[in-house]
Amino acid sequence: EAQVTQNPRYLITVTGKKLTVTCSQNMNHEYMSWYRQDPGLGLRQIYYSMNVEVTDKGDVPEGYKVSRKEKRNFPLILESPSPNQTSLYFCASSFSGQPETQYFGPGTRLLVL
Amino acid sequence: AQSVTQPDIHITVSEGASLELRCNYSYGATPYLFWYVQSPGQGLQLLLKYFSGDTLVQGIKGFEAEFKRSQSSFNLRKPSVHWSDAAEYFCAVGAYSGGYQKVTFGIGTKLQVIP
Repeated sequence: EAQVTQNPRYLITVTGKKLTVTCSQNMNHEYMSWYRQDPGLGLRQIYYSMNVEVTDKGDVPEGYKVSRKEKRNFPLILESPSPNQTSLYFCASSFSGQPETQYFGPGTRLLVL
Repeated sequence: AQSVTQPDIHITVSEGASLELRCNYSYGATPYLFWYVQSPGQGLQLLLKYFSGDTLVQGIKGFEAEFKRSQSSFNLRKPSVHWSDAAEYFCAVGAYSGGYQKVTFGIGTKLQVIP
C-alpha cells in the first residue's frame, strides 16, 4: 500500500531533550516536506527536500533540522525542543517538486513541557 | 508571495443540506489550487485540484469546486452533506518557483454536521 508513515504518533518530552521524528514513504517520491499545524495558523512548511542530499528551509525552520540520506526517509530533528514547538507535525511527499498532489502522513502530536 | 484566505473558521450545516466553503487566494500568475480534508486524528487527504482547463473541478466524495479568476476564488461545494463529511477542510495554493513547489495553506474551515 502506498503510504507515508511517521513515528512516533504521539510524543511527550521535556525542554532541551533532543528528539527525532521519522518519516518514510514507499512511493519513490523525490519531494518530501515537513509541516507543522497550529490552531488558527493552518499548516506551515518547516523544511523540504527536492531529492537525496538536497534540503532547504521553508517558512518556519528555526529550531529544526532535517536530513535526506535516502530517498524514502526524511527525519525531522529537534536538537533542543522548546514549549513553542508543541504542535502537530505532518510529513508529506510528492513525485516531483512541481505543484501537484502531496501525500500526507498521519501526523505526530508533540508536547514539549 | 502567494496567500490563501478561508474566511469561515467554523461552519455548521444540517445533514442533507448543501455546503459551500469559501476560499480566496492571492497569486500573480495562474495558480495551482487544492482542497484537502482532514478527518479527526488523520492526515490530510486530497479532495480535488485545479491546474488548468475546465474551471469546474470534480473531486472525491461528491465534492466539486469552481475556479473563478475574476474573483480569485476557489470555493468548495457539495449538494447534500453527509454526517461523515464532518472534518476540517483546507484550501491551498501552489506555485512553481525556483525549481520546487511552494504550497501555502489556508487556516482551515471546520465543518460540523448536525442531524
